[in-house]
Amino acid sequence: EAQVTQNPRYLITVTGKKLTVTCSQNMNHEYMSWYRQDPGLGLRQIYYSMNVEVTDKGDVPEGYKVSRKEKRNFPLILESPSPNQTSLYFCASSFSTSGLYEQYFGPGTRLTVT
Amino acid sequence: RKEVEQDPGPFNVPEGATVAFNCTYSNSASQSFFWYRQDCRKEPKLLMSVYSSGNEDGRFTAQLNRASQYISLLIRDSKLSDSATYLCVVNHNTDKLIFGTGTRLQVFP
Repeated sequence: EAQVTQNPRYLITVTGKKLTVTCSQNMNHEYMSWYRQDPGLGLRQIYYSMNVEVTDKGDVPEGYKVSRKEKRNFPLILESPSPNQTSLYFCASSFSTSGLYEQYFGPGTRLTVT
Repeated sequence: RKEVEQDPGPFNVPEGATVAFNCTYSNSASQSFFWYRQDCRKEPKLLMSVYSSGNEDGRFTAQLNRASQYISLLIRDSKLSDSATYLCVVNHNTDKLIFGTGTRLQVFP
């Protein structure tokens, strides 16, 4: 089954404790992206990657890191989480970098930082 | 001004009603347009792309008005299962999509 998976689905952590949210897709997609979704603000892009070893900042990259060592995986790293990073996070992938192609989203990771 | 703006709703409509949502975008260079559907606490999923000439998929019709910079989504014969948030999405370069904050639709019996 073609899908994007994220882990963990739910995470409660404390300020400053490094964490990684994994994202994996099995569709051989080139383009992968991370979004956060907050009430009233919609989906905002954090980072994106157009291929292996190619990553770039989205609209809200501060406090986040990513890496793309393999085509299928695109982990999101929070080196020192803070309460303002409490949010719903989605990973997405797309066949191409062209905006004409459908983005497939993972099921989301609900992160709470206390 | 937000790049993509939507009325947040909620739109509360009875089953069988016709309902329409509009979405405005600020960048006249925008190239491609989509409607995504998002159920409560779930991931967004593509509902339909929006083509210049307008397009229809069953009970759903999407229109694009480049001159006024808005897109619309019309849902005919609303079903209970249409209850969701509808996200307007715009692309004006090849690297990223801009999402609206969504319009919530609630269909009641």
